[in-house]
Amino acid sequence: NAGVTQTPKFRVLKTGQSMTLLCAQDMNHEYMYWYRQDPGMGLRLIHYSVGEGTTAKGEVPDGYNVSRLKKQNFLLGLESAAPSQTSVYFCASSRPAGAEGYTFGSGTRLTVV
Amino acid sequence: AQTVTQSQPEMSVQEAETVTLSCTYDTSESDYYLFWYKQPPSRQMILVIRQEAYKQQNATENRFSVNFQKAAKSFSLKISDSQLGDAAMYFCAYRSSFAQGGSEKLVFGKGTKLTVNP
Repeated sequence: NAGVTQTPKFRVLKTGQSMTLLCAQDMNHEYMYWYRQDPGMGLRLIHYSVGEGTTAKGEVPDGYNVSRLKKQNFLLGLESAAPSQTSVYFCASSRPAGAEGYTFGSGTRLTVV
Repeated sequence: AQTVTQSQPEMSVQEAETVTLSCTYDTSESDYYLFWYKQPPSRQMILVIRQEAYKQQNATENRFSVNFQKAAKSFSLKISDSQLGDAAMYFCAYRSSFAQGGSEKLVFGKGTKLTVNP
């Protein structure tokens, strides 16, 4: 019963470096999401996907790119990390609409120095 | 666009007492779902309780219950017999009930940090 798995759990980057966060779900969910969580800001949506091969921008997409080549995976990329991208990142998945809400991963704490 | 407001950034309660966390939302839709998520220090987001807007009866899950006032667009969470393990950040969230090609995303409030004092 893995649910949603995020890797890595922690990472420290230098300004300008790139990295990819991986999210994998085994619930056959259509929809997947990437959020960032900052103190006092709640969860803000970065990008989301409603199906394999499709992605869309959320509330705070600048500086991030995503890909969903397979239904079960949703990748978040930072091409040139900035200190403002220091945050906790959450991946989530869900069925379209419905009362189930989201299933969340355990989060990735990213620090950009 | 829908918005969710949690007006209490922080709350505290004595162990075994009852506490109520407030949440209001703004929507023009008539059918939707409301959720409370708990985020303990472990960072994991845990679904506490959900409410379907078409149901008049308030949802309950053990010590957790909601007061859903649809006309007032209010959705408060009551925690009875508070325990030390209830200490966490609590997020209220809204979701449309209609599949709209992805626009039916969860909309979160900014959260309320609950401290439980022994």
